Amino acid sequence: DTGVSQDPRHKITKRGQNVTFRCDPISEHNRLYWYRQTLGQGPEFLTYFQNEAQLEKSRLLSDRFSAERPKGSFSTLEIQRTEQGDSAMYLCASLPTTGSLGGTQYFGPGTRLLVL
Amino acid sequence: DQQVKQNSPSLSVQEGRISILNCDYTNSMFDYFLWYKKYPAEGPTFLISISSIKDKNEDGRFTVFLNKSAKHLSLHIVPSQPGDSAVYFCAAHVQGGSEKLVFGKGTKLTVNP
Repeated sequence: DTGVSQDPRHKITKRGQNVTFRCDPISEHNRLYWYRQTLGQGPEFLTYFQNEAQLEKSRLLSDRFSAERPKGSFSTLEIQRTEQGDSAMYLCASLPTTGSLGGTQYFGPGTRLLVL
Repeated sequence: DQQVKQNSPSLSVQEGRISILNCDYTNSMFDYFLWYKKYPAEGPTFLISISSIKDKNEDGRFTVFLNKSAKHLSLHIVPSQPGDSAVYFCAAHVQGGSEKLVFGKGTKLTVNP
């Protein structure tokens, strides 16, 4: 399977705990995105990497959130001191630098987070 | 400030009939519009896109129409099949920079046998 993969698929945590999610993009895709989808909403952009550089962050990404892509391949998204409002589906998408006509992003299956 | 709007949260059609899903946008800087399909517990899957310089794009049973003056696009599915039942998201591509996508809230399509 050469699609975007995400781990874990589901995470239940207690308020105040830290969680970390991982995304493995399609091989050789330079660009990687994180989105968050809450109930009844479409995916909302959180942050974007080109290779290992984080080039854009949404104002939705509070200082409790941090994302990394240390070697320009997989990425991690960490949420510190989780709050109930962080409960959502966290989606990762990737895109090649060239040949991506119209910005067609390829999405992973998502990580569903529930904060109790 | 929602830049991409899908005003119908749900749509129900009979198998074999046409499904029409609508989307409105407010930002003239979008250069491509895309439709994604999402099944429960899966990520969105790309369906079809259209450049802002076109007014129609067709791919098999799926056709997207763009009316730039009205800032409106629609997805037509003909004929509709039960397997098309899913949530459909309209997305707009932000040209330059991160090239992020801005999504609408989605329309849940149910195709009844």
